[in-house]
Amino acid sequence: RKEVEQDPGPFNVPEGATVAFNCTYSNSASQSFFWYRQDCRKEPKLLMSVYSSGNEDGRFTAQLNRASQYISLLIRDSKLSDSATYLCVVNTASGGSYIPTFGRGTSLIVHP
Amino acid sequence: GAGVSQSPSNKVTEKGKDVELRCDPISGHTALYWYRQRLGQGLEFLIYFQGNSAPDKSGLPSDRFSAERTGESVSTLTIQRTQQEDSAVYLCASSPGGGEANEKLFFGSGTQLSVL
Repeated sequence: RKEVEQDPGPFNVPEGATVAFNCTYSNSASQSFFWYRQDCRKEPKLLMSVYSSGNEDGRFTAQLNRASQYISLLIRDSKLSDSATYLCVVNTASGGSYIPTFGRGTSLIVHP
Repeated sequence: GAGVSQSPSNKVTEKGKDVELRCDPISGHTALYWYRQRLGQGLEFLIYFQGNSAPDKSGLPSDRFSAERTGESVSTLTIQRTQQEDSAVYLCASSPGGGEANEKLFFGSGTQLSVL
């Protein structure tokens, strides 16, 4: 079983749609969680952290369920520019430090 | 510089040759990570440096892979006797803190390695 699992998609949605991505992680000792965005042939960039209480940044909402080891990202009012791969990242303890482990990513295509 | 810098941006080599990839982290960032991303795949952790501590090499796929870092600055990833399956984008990232749980990574634009 992979440490961080995501549905690779692609999710193909029209502009203005609401879309949600899920991610599950296997290590219950994982400490912190993030969503990164990766555009085609570009490097990943931090989108937002994920907190237990849930957090929102504009059109983006992230949720964490520690009991189910599950993370989600909701995008409202999708824009063409949201088209990208969304990477779920989990920081897990390794020898006294924390190593970010990446999911394979979920591809989003927003069309006119 | 303002961001993480990697060089070369592209490297084409013949099977069996050695290659060296370079990463300049953001100034002041104590942590440095190397990841590999094969085409259409996720990021695969290779190695992690934190200050002057011994690196975490747990992700290196074979003894053909090695990496060094001088203090809290430049890092080089060396692949010896390259194989075709080494073809991938090699991404370097740095982070400001000391391996804390909430570390956020800043990535370079990567080196696209093609082994013929």
